[in-house]
Amino acid sequence: GAVVSQHPSRVICKSGTSVKIECRSLDFQATTMFWYRQFPKQSLMLMATSNEGSKATYEQGVEKDKFLINHASLTLSTLTVTSAHPEDSSFYICSASAGLLNEQFFGPGTRLTVL
Amino acid sequence: AQSVAQPEDQVNVAEGNPLTVKCTYSVSGNPYLFWYVQYPNRGLQFLLKYITGDNLVKGSYGFEAEFNKSQTSFHLKKPSALVSDSALYFCAVRDGGSGTYKYIFGTGTRLKVLA
Repeated sequence: GAVVSQHPSRVICKSGTSVKIECRSLDFQATTMFWYRQFPKQSLMLMATSNEGSKATYEQGVEKDKFLINHASLTLSTLTVTSAHPEDSSFYICSASAGLLNEQFFGPGTRLTVL
Repeated sequence: AQSVAQPEDQVNVAEGNPLTVKCTYSVSGNPYLFWYVQYPNRGLQFLLKYITGDNLVKGSYGFEAEFNKSQTSFHLKKPSALVSDSALYFCAVRDGGSGTYKYIFGTGTRLKVLA
């Protein structure tokens, strides 16, 4: 299957700082990438959908100014958590697909801890 | 609206015994169904999917699932459980007939295989 990577795998930062998470599709062109958030012992919740070269579509309740998404190329999308706070601590998972209606392939996730 | 239910938070099974992890779904169109496994602090690993065709789907690591349209179910099964199968399992559905691209995930079922 297709391979999706995330970097970093885990990050610890101080409250008030910004953190960038990268999601890369390694062996296919991902026109669409998705960002999910998973709280402990809970399911994945879709945060936003990004299409290469256009603005991301955010789910209801997700602050677009707090979670900045950039999908600058067909292999890379980034999620920046701005002015992070302890409540932003979570497991962030990206997925990528070759088209909006195509199958999604998931990255390994990034554990963010905000102190 | 599409939804998916995993009625069991946890399933315990003895090593060597058959296992079943339950999933039921609700969509207005044709269901695209997926099973994923998640190990601690890791992303989702794809196990199998049903899009169309044979109702019995065989996947990775000896897992299989049966699509039952009348019962709107897609239960995950394995004839003989291994201790290494202990993990968190997610069922997901996408409504293939509505044009929506979103995956809806169940709440997850923790499988514990006892030696």
